[in-house]
Amino acid sequence: GNSVTQMEGPVTLSEEAFLTINCTYTATGYPSLFWYVQYPGEGLQLLLKATKADDKGSNKGFEATYRKETTSFHLEKGSVQVSDSAVYFCALRGSYKLSFGAGTTVTVRA
Amino acid sequence: NAGVTQTPKFQVLKTGQSMTLQCAQDMNHNSMYWYRQDPGMGLRLIYYSASEGTTDKGEVPNGYNVSRLNKREFSLRLESAAPSQTSVYFCASSEATASGANVLTFGAGSRLTVL
Repeated sequence: GNSVTQMEGPVTLSEEAFLTINCTYTATGYPSLFWYVQYPGEGLQLLLKATKADDKGSNKGFEATYRKETTSFHLEKGSVQVSDSAVYFCALRGSYKLSFGAGTTVTVRA
Repeated sequence: NAGVTQTPKFQVLKTGQSMTLQCAQDMNHNSMYWYRQDPGMGLRLIYYSASEGTTDKGEVPNGYNVSRLNKREFSLRLESAAPSQTSVYFCASSEATASGANVLTFGAGSRLTVL
């Protein structure tokens, strides 16, 4: 079946540091890949997505590239801000439903 | 622009009590979902409804029932609550039923504690 594995947290960074969150997947076929973000006390919201190999999703300074050869979709941001403190979820979509990773808690200190 | 609305936001139950979590979306989406979120386990799908009139089990359906009342509403019922059902529950919807890059829109969550 489909599954997603993402790096365990928590991750604590200083402002303007570089952030990488690793995500790898197992799936049949060619699933769409997503990163969702959950800010404190809120539901999840889409951060970015990619639908085919070599696609790069980007939003709010975050980027992730769909790498079929390594079955990966790592999330990166070059310079984080305190407002980026959140839980980040990698997800893949098979038929009808999303499979989520366990989530990575990121805390950015001023 | 309400999106997905869940009620209640918080609920405390005693073991064996029943309750229903309500969810409504105003985006005319076909598909709706119920997830639970537990620490270190991410989100796990309880039930989903690909379209009005259909419901299917997800990864963790035991102890739950659902009703797709109409296109807008999808409720989750706990008939006899257990402490293992203490969790944060999220309802979500998406606009299409086929696989692809369909984005889910989530509600704000319902925190349930079973004593």
